[in-house]
Amino acid sequence: QQQVKQSPQSLIVQKGGISIINCAYENTAFDYFPWYQQFPGKGPALLIAIRPDVSEKKEGRFTISFNKSAKQFSLHIMDSQPGDSATYFCAASKSGANNLFFGTGTRLTVIP
Amino acid sequence: KAGVTQTPRYLIKTRGQQVTLSCSPISGHRSVSWYQQTPGQGLQFLFEYFSETQRNKGNFPGRFSGRQFSNSRSEMNVSTLELGDSALYLCASSPTGGLNEQYFGPGTRLTVT
Repeated sequence: QQQVKQSPQSLIVQKGGISIINCAYENTAFDYFPWYQQFPGKGPALLIAIRPDVSEKKEGRFTISFNKSAKQFSLHIMDSQPGDSATYFCAASKSGANNLFFGTGTRLTVIP
Repeated sequence: KAGVTQTPRYLIKTRGQQVTLSCSPISGHRSVSWYQQTPGQGLQFLFEYFSETQRNKGNFPGRFSGRQFSNSRSEMNVSTLELGDSALYLCASSPTGGLNEQYFGPGTRLTVT
């Protein structure tokens, strides 16, 4: 059973546009929600993370929006650039546990 | 600080053999987790080691095992390899475990023929 559901599977955005990736989770015990960026041939790199005590977190062009009641969170990439073209994974875990449950990934392509 | 390093980067093994993969965490990090990444199943948690003890375990058969040394370096072993074990094996380190961020290495690409 997929603990974290991610959509869309792929996304094509024009340079300068906003990329939005959505995730939903079932387990209300989850309280840590990171996003990872992965380029071909590389390991996932931690991009930004949020905990349920805040509804939004912004770091540069990347923003996480979190809706606890809906059990959903999303990644917004503002002013998307061709260098942002990669696969993005959302994940979730519980307090005291280092086992991340990952979404299935979104392949983002930013066209010039 | 140097990042997480994994060796070897690529490995080709035959069905039935066993394999050992190595991971060196970021200096000062005491928690090491292992993940398997495949196109079909995505990223799946294998196990986590903290202070030389397995603290969490995912839903993988007993053929998958690991250990951690006193310097926090970790190894994972897969015995009796199957074709379906072909995957990218990723190691992630974390400062103390729990709510801390996990930083991934580049992975070991294992191909089983």
